[in-house]
Amino acid sequence: GAVVSQHPSRVICKSGTSVKIECRSLDFQATTMFWYRQFPKQSLMLMATSNEGSKATYEQGVEKDKFLINHASLTLSTLTVTSAHPEDSSFYICSARSLGLDQPQHFGDGTRLSIL
Amino acid sequence: SQQGEEDPQALSIQEGENATMNCSYKTSINNLQWYRQNSGRGLVHLILIRSNEREKHSGRLRVTLDTSKKSSSLLITASRAADTASYFCATGTTSETGFQKLVFGTGTRLLVSP
Repeated sequence: GAVVSQHPSRVICKSGTSVKIECRSLDFQATTMFWYRQFPKQSLMLMATSNEGSKATYEQGVEKDKFLINHASLTLSTLTVTSAHPEDSSFYICSARSLGLDQPQHFGDGTRLSIL
Repeated sequence: SQQGEEDPQALSIQEGENATMNCSYKTSINNLQWYRQNSGRGLVHLILIRSNEREKHSGRLRVTLDTSKKSSSLLITASRAADTASYFCATGTTSETGFQKLVFGTGTRLLVSP
């Protein structure tokens, strides 16, 4: 099946640090990648959608200057949390899908971000 | 909020029993998908049902979709302890900008005891 690799799986860093998370589709071309945020025991909240080679589309309430998304190729998207603060601590999950109306999304294993 | 709701929030059963989870949503959809999430991990795609379909099977999974009631159900038959996880429904929609995206429900935490 389709595999999405997300790294790192866990990050612990000081307040003010910028953190980059990578999301790679290993065996298919991901025309669209998605970034989600999930709080404990809650559902996934979509942060942004990115299509290869174009700017990401952010959901309402998500600061694009805070959460920088780059989708430079059909297999790689990155999310950079700039100048992270404790309130940015969360579980971040990426997903990827190929072209087509009814294609499922394939998810990475998530990144647990803890800002001290 | 467009987020769907799932019922029940938590379900505890014995191995061998069936588990039924329900999902309600608010908007028109292209498809509805069910995902499973083990604690602290990403989501695993289980099954997708298109808006013009009413029922779909995959192994021990059975999904129904009623677009008139904007609801779906996931039935897991002959449950196993390994089925313990959180299950999310997600509606596939087209955004205002033309992108296909998923809106996730609130999830059901399933516990299957040996």
